Amino acid sequence: DTEVTQTPKHLVMGMTNKKSLKCEQHMGHRAMYWYKQKAKKPPELMFVYSYEKLSINESVPSRFSPECPNSSLLNLHLHALQPEDSALYLCASSQSPLRKRGNTIYFGEGSWLTVV
Amino acid sequence: AQKVTQAQTEISVVEKEDVTLDCVYETRDTTYYLFWYKQPPSGELVFLIRRNSFDEQNEISGRYSWNFQKSTSSFNFTITASQVVDSAVYFCALSEAVGETSGSRLTFGEGTQLTVNP
Repeated sequence: DTEVTQTPKHLVMGMTNKKSLKCEQHMGHRAMYWYKQKAKKPPELMFVYSYEKLSINESVPSRFSPECPNSSLLNLHLHALQPEDSALYLCASSQSPLRKRGNTIYFGEGSWLTVV
Repeated sequence: AQKVTQAQTEISVVEKEDVTLDCVYETRDTTYYLFWYKQPPSGELVFLIRRNSFDEQNEISGRYSWNFQKSTSSFNFTITASQVVDSAVYFCALSEAVGETSGSRLTFGEGTQLTVNP
């Protein structure tokens, strides 16, 4: 079983709605990530949090707003999304943000988002 | 820039057949890490293996084995005696650090859809 937990598993929202995706890990990892995955494509990095601070934003539109309340939690706030934002959103974590490219990134089960 | 190529988009086999998934990578780094992940229809990306660039020893884990060849920049994955439960998308990935304290970024291949038929 994955140690990265995401809720909700499925979300349907209208283009004017505000919703949030939540992610939790209890492995003591200090780097957390949001990835977006469209059908039949590999995951694409959106954001990286390092020691609870946003360290990477891959030019993601502002209608996606990440938040890291503490070292175990990561949220993704959604507002005014478009139908093309429908995708699988994957949360992930890795042990240390320090310059260690070998750290394994562990993924959650994902949240399937549909924007109508 | 880093690149990972999984030339096989889809593979279909019959149960108990052996199957090899190919992965070729490009990087200018002398130290790098390669990964394989499995993604079943449920969506979760399941970590399978990590290999660093200094360790060319092949690895076997049950029915799974990995062949890392630095000379050809390949990191192939073989499933022996495949089972229906092996049906999934398999991703090969290359890791790069993105700064001293910024975590790491995975460059994924396009994935190989493996279907194991009974």
